[in-house]
Amino acid sequence: QVQLQESGPGLVKASETLSLTCTVSGGSISSYYWTWIRQPPGKGLEWIGDIIHSGSTNYNPSLKSRVTISVDTSKNQFSLKLSSVTAADTAVYYCARLRWELRFFDYWGQGTLVTGSS
Amino acid sequence: EIVLTQSPGTLSLSPGERATLSCRASQSVSSRYLAWYQQKPGQAPRLLIYGASSRATGIPDRFSGSGSGTDFTLTISRLEPEDFAVYYCQQYAGSPSMYTFGQGTKLEIK
Repeated sequence: QVQLQESGPGLVKASETLSLTCTVSGGSISSYYWTWIRQPPGKGLEWIGDIIHSGSTNYNPSLKSRVTISVDTSKNQFSLKLSSVTAADTAVYYCARLRWELRFFDYWGQGTLVTGSS
Repeated sequence: EIVLTQSPGTLSLSPGERATLSCRASQSVSSRYLAWYQQKPGQAPRLLIYGASSRATGIPDRFSGSGSGTDFTLTISRLEPEDFAVYYCQQYAGSPSMYTFGQGTKLEIK
């Protein structure tokens, strides 16, 4: 059973960079795409971007200028960096596995709340 | 960007009843790339349906998906107490690669 676990600071100061890591267990990070999705409190879901084990990425155009997703296959981890954080970036951040062939998300982490402090 | 609009925003039903949730796209979506998720408070979303009509592993057969083009439906044939949650539809479109979710339908106990 694949499991994902997000980790990182729960509070990020305005204008600084949000950094989160997702650790994948129960399976190899290779051969799959991996993604970050966020959900502001009480609101809906927003796709941030995805990455495959080779390091190739796709980003949400609305966030592209501020987002970097990277992968470390030796640690079975992938990471998210979001620069120039504001209060509008306050959300629960989820990592998930993307099934590329049919473009859906089948395994999710429990999520971690990150607050952008003004 | 394709916008998904879900209706109704809130659906109030009783256990044992049939639930019909709608997801309408602002332009045609490939059925291959339409999925549905269930989310309970404090939990991550859970995949229910992919490819518009295929149930994910372990999902009871009271959940079914249908539709094509711009109109998609999630049906729960007989509601169980554990089915009361928020439901999201999700689609993928390329050029540029982009995933979007509907705003959600809250299914609440009447």
